[in-house]
Amino acid sequence: KQEVTQIPAALSVPEGENLVLNCSFTDSAIYNLQWFRQDPGKGLTSLLLIQSSQREQTSGRLNASLDKSSGRSTLYIAASQPGDSATYLCAVGVISNFGNEKLTFGTGTRLTIIP
Amino acid sequence: DAGVTQSPTHLIKTRGQQVTLRCSPKSGHDTVSWYQQALGQGPQFIFQYYEEEERQRGNFPDRFSGHQFPNYSSELNVNALLLGDSALYLCASSYPDRGGAEAFFGQGTRLTVV
Repeated sequence: KQEVTQIPAALSVPEGENLVLNCSFTDSAIYNLQWFRQDPGKGLTSLLLIQSSQREQTSGRLNASLDKSSGRSTLYIAASQPGDSATYLCAVGVISNFGNEKLTFGTGTRLTIIP
Repeated sequence: DAGVTQSPTHLIKTRGQQVTLRCSPKSGHDTVSWYQQALGQGPQFIFQYYEEEERQRGNFPDRFSGHQFPNYSSELNVNALLLGDSALYLCASSYPDRGGAEAFFGQGTRLTVV
């Protein structure tokens, strides 16, 4: 059974700092890995998708890496801003016997950027 | 493109009642998945629909059922509601391809069972 862990559960950093969020998973047979952002009481916004054959993806100030062999992914946020405050969720995609994908989520890291 | 839309946004039901939640997928997407997110937890996979059939199911009882229509929209039904069913219910749509299917989520339906 795939298990996804995110550490730390909460993180507070001053505005302008660079930071790294961590995600680990127990089964390396994944299809892809996706990072999401969730604002309080809201749905999920997709940030980055890393396919199993890729090592990293970048979008603006965000960079996500994937190391399947060690079961780890990191999300790097450069020059943090107060608007980055949210919960960040990591999700691992696994393909079923029918060829359809389901996501297994971690419990998230709640990020607070201090102005 | 309106993205994934869910209705209603909030719902209050009494224990024992039945509820139906609705989801319209992102344009061009044919696969719909439902997730339950309890407060402070990550979303948990309920089930997935493709070509109007349930393709995968998570560890949820038969009280949770669903349907997908020919236009790819979907419903989630929960019977005999329990207090523990109170959660944010999220719908995700995707279009599977060899590159890896990026999932897009709706804003969710907040269900409160009293």
